[in-house]
Amino acid sequence: AQSVAQPEDQVNVAEGNPLTVKCTYSVSGNPYLFWYVQYPNRGLQFLLKYITGDNLVKGSYGFEAEFNKSQTSFHLKKPSALVSDSALYFCAVRLTSGTYKYIFGTGTRLKVLA
Amino acid sequence: DTGVSQNPRHKITKRGQNVTFRCDPISEHNRLYWYRQTLGQGPEFLTYFQNEAQLEKSRLLSDRFSAERPKGSFSTLEIQRTEQGDSAMYLCASSLGAGGSVNNEQFFGPGTRLTVL
Repeated sequence: AQSVAQPEDQVNVAEGNPLTVKCTYSVSGNPYLFWYVQYPNRGLQFLLKYITGDNLVKGSYGFEAEFNKSQTSFHLKKPSALVSDSALYFCAVRLTSGTYKYIFGTGTRLKVLA
Repeated sequence: DTGVSQNPRHKITKRGQNVTFRCDPISEHNRLYWYRQTLGQGPEFLTYFQNEAQLEKSRLLSDRFSAERPKGSFSTLEIQRTEQGDSAMYLCASSLGAGGSVNNEQFFGPGTRLTVL
């Protein structure tokens, strides 16, 4: 079965420290990769995507993500965390083999401590 | 760009009743997706449309669920004979799918929270 895994339910990091939220996927073909963020009582918001090209992609709010094809991973990173980054983060893949379906991970709650 | 809107935002119903939700996508977006999200889980794919055509439906979706996008603009999701297990947040998203390999990200609506008593 095709799937997206976010192995950490929660990540805690001190403000100002770098953060990493992990994502790995198991799908056929070469999927498109996305990160979304969900704040309380808000809809999911797009952060960044990888389609092709450079393995390091930059997105909104200073976030970036590194695509690693051999490890089928797409980890989200930020050099210096802010308290306001505390939210729920979802990794997603868009399949490319005969469908435009998206598969989401179960989410990682990021808590940035002041 | 007014974003993706969903109505109603909340729906409380009794078991066995039918409910219908509406999604208005971003106007130029040709693809529209429905998801279900329960607490602590990521969005679970239900179905998607390209223009007015429903291209895929999750195998997990029972026959009680049906969706339409009659003119390729707004969409409705109907749940017949609701069950308590249908209680969840129902999300709609739209995207602009282009030919070839480049496609834009999904834009999500605020969701409709369904509670089945």
